[in-house]
Amino acid sequence: DSGVTQTPKHLITATGQRVTLRCSPRSGDLSVYWYQQSLDQGLQFLIQYYNGEERAKGNILERFSAQQFPDLHSELNLSSLELGDSALYFCASSEGGTGNYEQYFGPGTRLTVT
Amino acid sequence: GQNIDQPTEMTATEGAIVQINCTYQTSGFNGLFWYQQHAGEAPTFLSYNVLDGLEEKGRFSSFLSRSKGYSYLLLKELQMKDSASYLCAVPHAGNMLTFGGGTRLMVKP
Repeated sequence: DSGVTQTPKHLITATGQRVTLRCSPRSGDLSVYWYQQSLDQGLQFLIQYYNGEERAKGNILERFSAQQFPDLHSELNLSSLELGDSALYFCASSEGGTGNYEQYFGPGTRLTVT
Repeated sequence: GQNIDQPTEMTATEGAIVQINCTYQTSGFNGLFWYQQHAGEAPTFLSYNVLDGLEEKGRFSSFLSRSKGYSYLLLKELQMKDSASYLCAVPHAGNMLTFGGGTRLMVKP
């Protein structure tokens, strides 16, 4: 158990809908990262927040957005869902925001868009 | 940008030794991570190398050559539970990780 929690574990929804994925980092970690893992794309970095502020952005679609709250938990919002958004979404956390800190991954949310 | 290559699949026998290679091209080098991921589960940290050479940690060792843009993960005394994907990753722009496609290792009895 990494200490990172994610809810829900599974989510099934229809195209065009909007969902919110939630992540609580390990105690004391200030950075939260979101990754998408689909069968054909591997593990792709989406976005990083550090102590409430956006720190780095990867290949995140405009339909996706995230935020980190004062209690450091984070939410990833996915809207206008398409079939291709079906994937495992992982949240990870680390102590720092820059530098090479080990990232601890949560168990993931499996999103299925039908 | 970053480019990371790993073999897609490897098969090895229980009790044997296997080496999983990773080559990378990156603008600015800040070390290299190895993660293990069982199917449908979260990646878990195995090692981090920033200097050249071999680092040993129990049955797992990781090697880095910065001049060659090359790393490998060495797994000794393979066990069935080592069947998993092994991902190498390089950090950049803060701490965002770029992952290779992963190497799926199948350990056979």
